Amino acid sequence: ELVLTQSPGTLSLSPGERATLSCRASHSVSSSNLAWYQQKPGQAPRLLIYGVSSRATGIPDRFSGSGSGPDFTLTISRLEPEDFAVYYCQQSTTFGQGTKVEI
Amino acid sequence: QVQLLQSGAEVKNPGASVKVSCKASGYTFTRYDVNWVRQAPGQGLEWMGWMNPKRGNTGYAQKFQGRVTMTRSTSMTTAYMELSSLRFDDTAVYYCAREMATNEGELDNWGQGTLVTVSS
Repeated sequence: ELVLTQSPGTLSLSPGERATLSCRASHSVSSSNLAWYQQKPGQAPRLLIYGVSSRATGIPDRFSGSGSGPDFTLTISRLEPEDFAVYYCQQSTTFGQGTKVEI
Repeated sequence: QVQLLQSGAEVKNPGASVKVSCKASGYTFTRYDVNWVRQAPGQGLEWMGWMNPKRGNTGYAQKFQGRVTMTRSTSMTTAYMELSSLRFDDTAVYYCAREMATNEGELDNWGQGTLVTVSS
């Protein structure tokens, strides 16, 4: 069974700073279908990145994804106030446990 | 634009069943798989299963095998998820989500969520 481990659990940063979120797979399945989602309180998740590094429709270019199995990274180049949220990685039917980005 | 509109909140007794609907609009319903994901209060995302609306075939997470049924009405462009033998720990927000055409599992449009509360 695939396990995705996200780190850190919480990231405390200020607007304008760079955020680097990690997602590690317990074993390599497919290196091409890693996705990242953003979720704000009371809202459904929103797809940010698919296929490791492709931005979903309407996602600003301050969000970027990179990596290859088993290590993947989501980078937010300069945090905007609306970026403070929880971020999940996903591969196939498995989600990571989430990273909270807080002010 | 693509929209997935889910049915309203439910309160159920332990042992009962719940059926959540997900009305799709803004795209061709039969061209994209529908997945269901749930989120317990304060917890992360848990994948439950998928359904192909054109053929009606499904795939369920092992955890829910035997308790979950995913169906659809193509005429009403609506997907359904029924969970039976409800337990207290089934209390969660249930989301439907459209899977991207790449069929790699990425979910590009989500419903607003349906809160199911299991309480005696």
